Amino acid sequence: AQSVAQPEDQVNVAEGNPLTVKCTYSVSGNPYLFWYVQYPNRGLQFLLKYITGDNLVKGSYGFEAEFNKSQTSFHLKKPSALVSDSALYFCAVRDFPGSARQLTFGSGTQLTVLP
Amino acid sequence: ETGVTQSPTHLIKTRGQQVTLRCSSQSGHNTVSWYQQALGQGPQFIFQYYREEENGRGNFPPRFSGLQFPNYSSELNVNALELDDSALYLCASSLATDSYEQYFGPGTRLTVT
Repeated sequence: AQSVAQPEDQVNVAEGNPLTVKCTYSVSGNPYLFWYVQYPNRGLQFLLKYITGDNLVKGSYGFEAEFNKSQTSFHLKKPSALVSDSALYFCAVRDFPGSARQLTFGSGTQLTVLP
Repeated sequence: ETGVTQSPTHLIKTRGQQVTLRCSSQSGHNTVSWYQQALGQGPQFIFQYYREEENGRGNFPPRFSGLQFPNYSSELNVNALELDDSALYLCASSLATDSYEQYFGPGTRLTVT
């Protein structure tokens, strides 16, 4: 089965500084990777995905992610953090139980941007 | 907003009872997936429905069951509720032919006492 790991439960960064939220993956075959964000009492919002192509993927709200095959990583980044970016971030990978196409999520990283 | 709606928003049930949660897919989406998100954890896949048939299931017991209707809306039913079933239940809709991007609803918070 496919899996992702988010090694940091909590990331704190000052507003205006660059942010990185880490994710590593384990897959058989080509990885299809995703980042989602969850605000309190809300569902998951899609940020970006890597399917194939350029290793730097650009997504919503100024976020981007860098796919690194040799390090099996897919870190989420943003050049300048905003207080409003504070939320719970999930990395996910496509998985195939039966004929379903579903997502396997990491445990999440709580990002806090300090004013 | 994704266009995926879920009802109810919150629900409190007693151990041993049964519960039904509902989900309306985003317009045009023919696939619905259900996830359970326990407190402090990432969502875990329960099952997926495509054209009213279950086409994949995660590691959940048979007391978790579902339906998908011709309009692609869906229900999640849980029988014989246990305390550990307390969680946020998320549904996600997608196109079967899409590159696996799923659109999530706001979730139903189930508390079992």
